[in-house]
Amino acid sequence: GAVVSQHPSRVICKSGTSVKIECRSLDFQATTMFWYRQFPKQSLMLMATSNEGSKATYEQGVEKDKFLINHASLTLSTLTVTSAHPEDSSFYICSARAGDGGIETQYFGPGTRLLVL
Amino acid sequence: QQQVKQSPQSLIVQKGGISIINCAYENTAFDYFPWYQQFPGKGPALLIAIRPDVSEKKEGRFTISFNKSAKQFSLHIMDSQPGDSATYFCAASITGTASKLTFGTGTRLQVTL
Repeated sequence: GAVVSQHPSRVICKSGTSVKIECRSLDFQATTMFWYRQFPKQSLMLMATSNEGSKATYEQGVEKDKFLINHASLTLSTLTVTSAHPEDSSFYICSARAGDGGIETQYFGPGTRLLVL
Repeated sequence: QQQVKQSPQSLIVQKGGISIINCAYENTAFDYFPWYQQFPGKGPALLIAIRPDVSEKKEGRFTISFNKSAKQFSLHIMDSQPGDSATYFCAASITGTASKLTFGTGTRLQVTL
């Protein structure tokens, strides 16, 4: 099956610093990648949709200047949490859509645990 | 507005039993319904998916039943095993759009010995 990786798997940072999370599709090209946030014992909350070569589309209530998304290639998308604060601590998960618009399968990465002190 | 309702919130099943998780949706434009399995500290993994042109799909011990008129679909796990203990999410999306998944709230399944 399609494999999606994330790096780092876990990061601890001081308040005010920026953190970059990478999402890679390892064995397929992903024109669309998605970024989610998940709080403990809750469902996944979509933050933004990332399309290769274009600006990301953010969901309502998500600060685009705080959560910078770059989708520079068909296999890589990055999420940068700028000036992180303790309330940004969460589990961040990316997914990549395999194929074109007729194939809707999303494959998820293993997630990145962010802890802001 | 929650578009996909999932129940139960938690479920305890004995080993060898059948686990049943239900989801109901509101948006009739949804045409793709996947189920994901998530273990603690891991990302969700695609388990099985169905489109509304069929009423049932089976893969190994996992079966999706789909009722288009009732706008409901369910996941059945036959011969449940302790290794199946995880959180299960149903989801729905619309083909041809941004393919954004709308997730249910999740069901924590515990399979006891």
